[in-house]
Amino acid sequence: GQQLNQSPQSMFIQEGEDVSMNCTSSSIFNTWLWYKQDPGEGPVLLIALYKAGELTSNGRLTAQFGITRKDSFLNISASIPSDVGIYFCAGQSIATSGTYKYIFGTGTRLKVLA
Amino acid sequence: DTAVSQTPKYLVTQMGNDKSIKCEQNLGHDTMYWYKQDSKKFLKIMFSYNNKELIINETVPNRFSPKSPDKAHLNLHINSLELGDSAVYFCASSQGVRARNYEQYFGPGTRLTVT
Repeated sequence: GQQLNQSPQSMFIQEGEDVSMNCTSSSIFNTWLWYKQDPGEGPVLLIALYKAGELTSNGRLTAQFGITRKDSFLNISASIPSDVGIYFCAGQSIATSGTYKYIFGTGTRLKVLA
Repeated sequence: DTAVSQTPKYLVTQMGNDKSIKCEQNLGHDTMYWYKQDSKKFLKIMFSYNNKELIINETVPNRFSPKSPDKAHLNLHINSLELGDSAVYFCASSQGVRARNYEQYFGPGTRLTVT
């Protein structure tokens, strides 16, 4: 099945550094969402984006809905050890036929070195 | 109170058995989902129900059958389990399927191991 490509696949960073990750697709989406998954738990929603070009912040997190509607970006500023986990993007769309589509990205595994 | 709950949390069973996973949400949401997360952590949607109506039915073996007795519950029944069914299965819910209602809340997952 279709998956959204996330980059980078994994990253090690020092505490205090800023982090950037992105998600790209060959298809257009109407909604982009970013989730974080901690080990042994389900994903938790971080930010939802509903409009092309939209820039939304949630604390140290900032995400953008790409103008082409085929990509999205997530930035984390001043990372802390509890930022460790897997970050997933997700795209949502409804085709003219009424078919719903909800697809998750391949994930970015973040590890923060204290 | 847990918003989205799943039972059981762990399920170990032998090939060929039939098993069910239950999911309940107390958020008053209209839409519920089932996802499969494999060993590489890829999340793939399997099914979605909106107001008890099936709206997403991805290409999964017909051994998997979802059942939604009401809006708050979505169960997953799996027949003739195979080794490749081993994964973590997540239930999720969202307010609805209209704009700004797609934000999903996930359960804690059910780790299924088929031996």
